[in-house]
Order: sequence, then structure tokens, then C-alpha cells
Amino acid sequence: EVQLLESGGGLVQPGGSLRLSCAASGFTFSSYSMSWVRQAPGKGLEWVSGIDGGDGSTYYADSVKGRFTISRDTSKNTLYLQMNNLRAEDTAVFYCVKGRYQPDYWGRGTLVTVSS
Amino acid sequence: QSALTQPASVSGSPGQSITISCTGTSSDIGGYNYVSWYQQHPGKAPKHMISDVSKRPSGVSNRFSGSKSGNTASLTISGLQAEDEAHYYCSSYTSSSIVLFGGGTKLTVL
Repeated sequence: EVQLLESGGGLVQPGGSLRLSCAASGFTFSSYSMSWVRQAPGKGLEWVSGIDGGDGSTYYADSVKGRFTISRDTSKNTLYLQMNNLRAEDTAVFYCVKGRYQPDYWGRGTLVTVSS
Repeated sequence: QSALTQPASVSGSPGQSITISCTGTSSDIGGYNYVSWYQQHPGKAPKHMISDVSKRPSGVSNRFSGSKSGNTASLTISGLQAEDEAHYYCSSYTSSSIVLFGGGTKLTVL
């Protein structure tokens, strides 16, 4: 059974940093692309970033490019999202998802709140 | 990177069929068959309902079907049931190597 468990969310001040983690199990993590998708309170889904399973190429939405960095540790079956220079508009539930072209399995999400 | 266009809301009575549209461009929906649909109940994570325009993942009811014509994809739910009431989102891979989601459609079962 595929399981994705996010952690690392919380309250951070504008301009601050946070690192999200996603522990994956139930599939061969190193072989699959992974992504982060976020959902602001009461709003729709927004794809944030993705990383390829093969060569580890990374991709970002324009809204986070230069501020967020996606990475993975295949020895720990863990996906990361380093978020710097956070803004109020980054407040959202962040979901770890399996897949890049068409995310299939989703974690339960971790809430990131950017506020002073 | 504008979101795909979905109607804000649709409604139907139990047993009826409804269709939700998702309009994009030739750089996303029109250019790729990587179109998916997701169902999201309040407070829950999205659930993958349709992939590759029209394929149902294992465990998804055959009351859900997908199609595409040009730059517009569609999700049809037949035999509406109370538990189908949820938000539905479309997504598409794009020529910019990113994924776009639709703004979401709230389905109300009357």
C-alpha cells in the first residue's frame, strides 16, 4: 500500500524558511517522480514543484521559482521541499504526491502558515 | 501559467448524470493526453479518479468517465449518488513541463 506522510509544517514569519519532508513507502521510491501540490485555505489546488525519478531533474511553478527547492533522499525514501523567503500568500496545506505528470497517490498534507 | 477553466458549480439529482468541463489550450489539454481528474471531500486529500483522459484507476466506480475534444476535457458522472457530492479538479501536463489544475467545481447532489 502506497503511503505518503508529510511533516514539517507550522507557523513561520514572512521572510522565514521552512523545510517540509515526506516519508514514502509501499513503492520503489527511487523509480518514481514526485511532486508537491498546495491548497490555500478555501481555494483550489496549485502544483508547486516536481522531481523526476530517473535523473532527478527538478521543475517549479513560477510563483515559487527561486524561493523553493525540491530534493529527495532515495536512501531514506524521503522527499523534501525547502521553502525560503516565505510570503503570506504561501499559506496553504502542502501535499506530497506520487507522480509528476499525473499525481496519483496523495498524502494527508501539512499546513504551512506564514504570518507575523 | 493560468489555471484551467472549470465551472464553479454543477448540480444534479440522484440517479441523473452530470458533466464537468475543463478548458485549456493547445499547450496543455490540447497537446497531451496527460489529463487527470480528482475528487476532494471537505477536509480530505484529493483522490485520483481519472488518468490519461479516460482511464479509471483501480477501485474507481465505472460511473465516472472522462473524455477530451480539442482543448476541452470532460468528466461525466452517471447515476449520481449522495456520496458524489464533492469538489472536482482537472489537471493537465503542459509544454512548460509543469502541471496545471483547474479552479475546481463544486458538485451538489440535490
